[in-house]
Amino acid sequence: GEDVEQSLFLSVREGDSSVINCTYTDSSSTYLYWYKQEPGAGLQLLTYIFSNMDMKQDQRLTVLLNKKDKHLSLRIADTQTGDSAIYFCAESKGNFNKFYFGSGTKLNVKP
Amino acid sequence: GAVVSQHPSRVICKSGTSVKIECRSLDFQATTMFWYRQFPKKSLMLMATSNEGSKATYEQGVEKDKFLINHASLTLSTLTVTSAHPEDSSFYICSAREVGQGSPEAFFGQGTRLTVV
Repeated sequence: GEDVEQSLFLSVREGDSSVINCTYTDSSSTYLYWYKQEPGAGLQLLTYIFSNMDMKQDQRLTVLLNKKDKHLSLRIADTQTGDSAIYFCAESKGNFNKFYFGSGTKLNVKP
Repeated sequence: GAVVSQHPSRVICKSGTSVKIECRSLDFQATTMFWYRQFPKKSLMLMATSNEGSKATYEQGVEKDKFLINHASLTLSTLTVTSAHPEDSSFYICSAREVGQGSPEAFFGQGTRLTVV
């Protein structure tokens, strides 16, 4: 199946690190993604990782993938109030035609 | 990154009328576009895959006569919600992938908030 699950809420203080977790069930996924959605807006691609990679870092963002446990995480270093949004993980398979999204994690950053 | 634009961003219509939503890839060509629906505080649900020059492929449970999709060019796909009802009120988002692009990225529009009264 294509079940993708995330915790619904995360609250952190400004300057701390945020870790958003995601689990998926389909081992045939080829790419895994993290998207950010601000209120009333579309989705902004933050980063993606190929399924045969363990880690990818891009500035303040670090993605960790544990393929054995089908667990994906997004770490945001030095979290800012502007990072407050909903974060979706997603998986795609085959020729990238279909994306399956998790329920989204609402990140609240307190000043 | 590539830009996908949706229009309108917000629309209110009366029950029984039809509403058309446009999805355009502004700086690239897209043979395939995707239409999603997002319920409040819920994830995105793939409705259909829109293929340029051919019929759209609908996901199970999505009424193709209710949600008409046309992908007439490599830069434009439209979703028409026919005979709209209040339960069709939702946030609709499109995405597109670039022709021949080796990257797995898909670019999303800003979404359209549909309210049926």
